[in-house]
Amino acid sequence: DTEVTQTPKHLVMGMTNKKSLKCEQHMGHRAMYWYKQKAKKPPELMFVYSYEKLSINESVPSRFSPECPNSSLLNLHLHALQPEDSALYLCASSQEVGPWEQYFGPGTRLTVT
Amino acid sequence: KQEVTQIPAALSVPEGENLVLNCSFTDSAIYNLQWFRQDPGKGLTSLLLIQSSQREQTSGRLNASLDKSSGRSTLYIAASQPGDSATYLCAGGGGTSYGKLTFGQGTILTVHP
Repeated sequence: DTEVTQTPKHLVMGMTNKKSLKCEQHMGHRAMYWYKQKAKKPPELMFVYSYEKLSINESVPSRFSPECPNSSLLNLHLHALQPEDSALYLCASSQEVGPWEQYFGPGTRLTVT
Repeated sequence: KQEVTQIPAALSVPEGENLVLNCSFTDSAIYNLQWFRQDPGKGLTSLLLIQSSQREQTSGRLNASLDKSSGRSTLYIAASQPGDSATYLCAGGGGTSYGKLTFGQGTILTVHP
């Protein structure tokens, strides 16, 4: 099973709200990733977790706060977002960080009003 | 910094044609090259992964090649079908950015009956 699941599928939030995105995989992968994808653009890496520790932060604003509570679960906490943060947020996982195949989830479509 | 370019940006072909999508990258120290398919509003589906030590990979009607010395990869699709219509993304892994996938802008493929 090479499935990565993400919830919710769609999210609409106001600029003062706090919400969270959830990602789960049960492939035993020890690397998990958050990407942001704007319309008609390729995905851009936000964060990388390796063995539940943050290993890469691509200078993402602090209004995005990642969390990896265990090896199967990755969260992205959102607070005080801006309308320009509206995008498709994709989660991915791989066996480890490095030359392993990345598997992507279906994404969460986020709209900030 | 790794840069990945895909040509053409869009391609429209009649059903049954064989076609080639091109991907070039600037950092030849990549450890792998991954091809993905993305349907509108959906996540990424991994098609083929080529490790840096490999020259090509095949899956069904798909064949991907990798030439690190020239900084190029191609995705060959045989006997195209309308169901192949999607955006195809290539992504280079590693190089000077270990742990990162750097994506090209994608090729939008339309296969018409």
